[in-house]
Amino acid sequence: DTEVTQTPKHLVMGMTNKKSLKCEQHMGHRAMYWYKQKAKKPPELMFVYSYEKLSINESVPSRFSPECPNSSLLNLHLHALQPEDSALYLCASSQPRGRNSYEQYFGPGTRLTVT
Amino acid sequence: KQEVTQIPAALSVPEGENLVLNCSFTDSAIYNLQWFRQDPGKGLTSLLLIQSSQREQTSGRLNASLDKSSGRSTLYIAASQPGDSATYLCAVRPLGRGSTLGRLYFGRGTQLTVWP
Repeated sequence: DTEVTQTPKHLVMGMTNKKSLKCEQHMGHRAMYWYKQKAKKPPELMFVYSYEKLSINESVPSRFSPECPNSSLLNLHLHALQPEDSALYLCASSQPRGRNSYEQYFGPGTRLTVT
Repeated sequence: KQEVTQIPAALSVPEGENLVLNCSFTDSAIYNLQWFRQDPGKGLTSLLLIQSSQREQTSGRLNASLDKSSGRSTLYIAASQPGDSATYLCAVRPLGRGSTLGRLYFGRGTQLTVWP
């Protein structure tokens, strides 16, 4: 099973709302990632968790707050977003060691619209 | 900083053609290179992963090659089909740990259309 799941598929929120995106994988991967992708652009890395610890934060605004409750789950908490934050949010995971280490598997994404 | 370039940006071909997508990168100190496919509004599907010590990888009608010293990779698609229509992205992972852990540098992709 090489599946990464994300919920919800679509999310519309106002600028004063608080919402969360969820990501789950059961491949035993110990590295998980959040990316943001705007239309016609490549994904941009936001956060990396390695062994449930935040290892990379790409200077993301504090209105985005990641959380890794356990090795299978990754959340992205959203608060006071701006319309320019509307994008496809992708989660990915990888195994940090082994023959094909670092091969990243992506979820289907959450399409976020901020009104 | 690693920069990844993909040429062409868009490609439109009739069904059945063999085609080549190109990816170049500026820093040869890479751990691996990964080719992805992305359908509109969807996530990325990993197609092939080439480790820095490998020269090529094959999966079905897809063949990816890597020339690390010249900073180039190609994705060859044989006997293209309309279902191959998608955006193809290449991404490189640099060597090194710490701040580079988990980081992929993406190209902007090649948008492929295969018409019947």
